[in-house]
Amino acid sequence: GENVEQHPSTLSVQEGDSAVIKCTYSDSASNYFPWYKQELGKRPQLIIDIRSNVGEKKDQRIAVTLNKTAKHFSLHITETQPEDSAVYFCAASILTGGGNKLTFGTGTQLKVEL
Amino acid sequence: ETGVTQTPRHLVMGMTNKKSLKCEQHLGHNAMYWYKQSAKKPLELMFVYSLEERVENNSVPSRFSPECPNSSHLFLHLHTLQPEDSALYLCASSQDTFQETQYFGPGTRLLVL
Repeated sequence: GENVEQHPSTLSVQEGDSAVIKCTYSDSASNYFPWYKQELGKRPQLIIDIRSNVGEKKDQRIAVTLNKTAKHFSLHITETQPEDSAVYFCAASILTGGGNKLTFGTGTQLKVEL
Repeated sequence: ETGVTQTPRHLVMGMTNKKSLKCEQHLGHNAMYWYKQSAKKPLELMFVYSLEERVENNSVPSRFSPECPNSSHLFLHLHTLQPEDSALYLCASSQDTFQETQYFGPGTRLLVL
């Protein structure tokens, strides 16, 4: 089955700096890659996603890049703010007979320091 | 937010207790999911329901018993749990199992003593 690895597990940056979180996946058939943000005590929320036919997608300060050949994708947050502090999860989705199945990474605890 | 709600938000139970977790989605979705979130581990998919029919059971022990009476409600019945079952249990929904975007509930924090 699909295996998703995520690095780093913790990341501390100064406010205003950029943060990059990387994920690799094992199954080349994976075709959809969402990123979720989970603030302390709250639900995971989708912040950005990318499909396998696209190499890069940007939404304001957040961008995601995908390298299908290398089977890795990354989340980039620019001009970080304290409210960006949260756990970020990547996931890879593969289409099975029963529908799409999401496999998640282990999460990255991002801390933005003042 | 009221899209996907879960009750209770916190639950403490003994190993001999029986309890149920409830999930309700107000998004008109046809697919619902149970995930287990433990510290330092990826979210683990437990069950998938599509139009009230279970389509996936990810080798979950029988002490976890799901129930989906209709497409808006999903339950997880718990009995004779173990301390290692302590975790955050998240419910999610999507338009159907072929739509990748899943919307999560706030979770139930479960502690098994």
